[in-house]
Amino acid sequence: EAGVAQSPRYKIIEKRQSVAFWCNPISGHATLYWYQQILGQGPKLLIQFQNNGVVDDSQLPKDRFSAERLKGVDSTLKIQPAKLEDSAVYLCASSFDRSGNTIYFGEGSWLTVV
Amino acid sequence: KQEVTQIPAALSVPEGENLVLNCSFTDSAIYNLQWFRQDPGKGLTSLLLIQSSQREQTSGRLNASLDKSSGRSTLYIAASQPGDSATYLCAVSPSGANSKLTFGKGITLSVRP
Repeated sequence: EAGVAQSPRYKIIEKRQSVAFWCNPISGHATLYWYQQILGQGPKLLIQFQNNGVVDDSQLPKDRFSAERLKGVDSTLKIQPAKLEDSAVYLCASSFDRSGNTIYFGEGSWLTVV
Repeated sequence: KQEVTQIPAALSVPEGENLVLNCSFTDSAIYNLQWFRQDPGKGLTSLLLIQSSQREQTSGRLNASLDKSSGRSTLYIAASQPGDSATYLCAVSPSGANSKLTFGKGITLSVRP
């Protein structure tokens, strides 16, 4: 069974530039999550999708971050403009349903803002 | 607001030792608790999941316990091996159908040969 795929794995950008990360969840998983993990911290949920609808985006900095999940499958997370404090690993995860009982994480997209 | 604490931040033990990793949370109204493993440069892998109605779960050399009333969980690793070296994170999800996970900062474990 293929896991959660993310790209790019690594990205270095200058502050005020934009960046986009892509995620392909496990086939058949209705729930998709984007987490932000700053070095030395635990992951923090940015946004949760159920199919193509947003369940929770309460911690998403909406002035600079946006995310979409077209057709309830792939998802894209965009940051524009980036700030130094956005340097982190962006982890995509998926689960079969909203209970999250079995959640699978991708290997993450590492962002460095200079 | 739920807060999850894991202390200490790092732990170094000799191979073969049995060890306990601790996790505490402030709001006992949880749906489940999970322990994850994270290797350097990798994503998270779920090790054990304990439903709120359960007291413990076991998988191989790992045993996780949950005491909701005191807001605590422990991950017991028997006969530790160098391959167990990783960061271990504890996460809780709230009651209800929302699966939003609140994570601790993790404990970085080093098992010395």
